Amino acid sequence: SQKIEQNSEALNIQEGKTATLTCNYTNYSPAYLQWYRQDPGRGPVFLLLIRENEKEKRKERLKVTFDTTLKQSLFHITASQPADSATYLCALDSIAGSGNTGKLIFGQGTTLQVKP
Amino acid sequence: DTGVSQDPRHKITKRGQNVTFRCDPISEHNRLYWYRQTLGQGPEFLTYFQNEAQLEKSRLLSDRFSAERPKGSFSTLEIQRTEQGDSAMYLCASGNMKWNTEAFFGQGTRLTVV
Repeated sequence: SQKIEQNSEALNIQEGKTATLTCNYTNYSPAYLQWYRQDPGRGPVFLLLIRENEKEKRKERLKVTFDTTLKQSLFHITASQPADSATYLCALDSIAGSGNTGKLIFGQGTTLQVKP
Repeated sequence: DTGVSQDPRHKITKRGQNVTFRCDPISEHNRLYWYRQTLGQGPEFLTYFQNEAQLEKSRLLSDRFSAERPKGSFSTLEIQRTEQGDSAMYLCASGNMKWNTEAFFGQGTRLTVV
């Protein structure tokens, strides 16, 4: 069955450093991969989407890579700030029948703590 | 605010009672999704609608769960005869098939079954 793995251990880094989060998947070939941010008690908020034919995508201090051979995505936050502290979720799309349903399969999330 | 709205934000109920949650998606979105999230886990897909048609239901969705989206606008998720294992955050998300990109989530309904 499809499986998505994110590092379940919290990531603690110092302000100003680059945070790198990993998402690995098996038994799957997604058309696209998404990253979301979730704060405690709130719903996930979309950050970035990368398609299977894209190697890298950037948005301000965020960078996502997608290696379909390794079945892995890396999510980077450069010049991290305490306000970046949150749980980050990796999500893959699900293809069914005639096309993309928009249904997402999520990893368990990695909690990032940025210390001042 | 034109985002996805969920009501109530919190619900405490006794085991065996029925509960109903409401989701108002972003108005121009034709797809609506329900997810469930427990502590320390990512959201798990429950069901989704395209307009008023319910197109897929997860095997996680037992017979006690039912969802509707009359007229293709708001949606309701009902849980009958609640069990303690139903305690979770229930998240609603909407999206647009034409654009086929990200999902917009509501703030969720936190259900506690005592």
